Amino acid sequence: GAVVSQHPSWVICKSGTSVKIECRSLDFQATTMFWYRQFPKQSLMLMATSNEGSKATYEQGVEKDKFLINHASLTLSTLTVTSAHPEDSSFYICSARDLQQPQHFGDGTRLSIL
Amino acid sequence: QKEVEQDPGPLSVPEGAIVSLNCTYSNSAFQYFMWYRQYSRKGPELLMYTYSSGNKEDGRFTAQVDKSSKYISLFIRDSQPSDSATYLCAMSAKQAGTALIFGKGTTLSVSS
Repeated sequence: GAVVSQHPSWVICKSGTSVKIECRSLDFQATTMFWYRQFPKQSLMLMATSNEGSKATYEQGVEKDKFLINHASLTLSTLTVTSAHPEDSSFYICSARDLQQPQHFGDGTRLSIL
Repeated sequence: QKEVEQDPGPLSVPEGAIVSLNCTYSNSAFQYFMWYRQYSRKGPELLMYTYSSGNKEDGRFTAQVDKSSKYISLFIRDSQPSDSATYLCAMSAKQAGTALIFGKGTTLSVSS
């Protein structure tokens, strides 16, 4: 149980384009979903927290106009990196949880901006 | 001082060894403690979850929490090459699923 699916697993795109990443909870309803960013050999850095049907809460230093988060249903959240640039290249990971349960993570999306 | 300290390693052990992984923390409000395993280019996988102090065992894995010392451990018995991964400790002051603070992770390599 507690499976989180993230898609795509890897994306390469040109600078200036927008990229959408999907995160789905497959066998439970996720009251809260989280988006993290991870640089090589570094730990996970929380970018934002989203609750279904409400606006995401962004961590300090994360541009909400650049990283658009939508949590339209209890099983789906999306992260859109708008006008991506090479410095946005990173490993993006989502997680989801139901009430009282720990977070379960997706397998991440490797984003490379050329 | 960082909230959560974890030695990044790398830690190399032979197959069958007992592995001890540790984290220290400074925030006495932390009550929920988790260990995640992360393989290269994959998301973290929840291994162990404990609340407050004490021990928890699951197969070859044992998690220990000592809140008085602000110290948590993960022990792996009879380590296998498939245990080679990065192990992340994580903790929270509120419910287990909210506002996790992660350690940097310890890279473990088990040789056959």
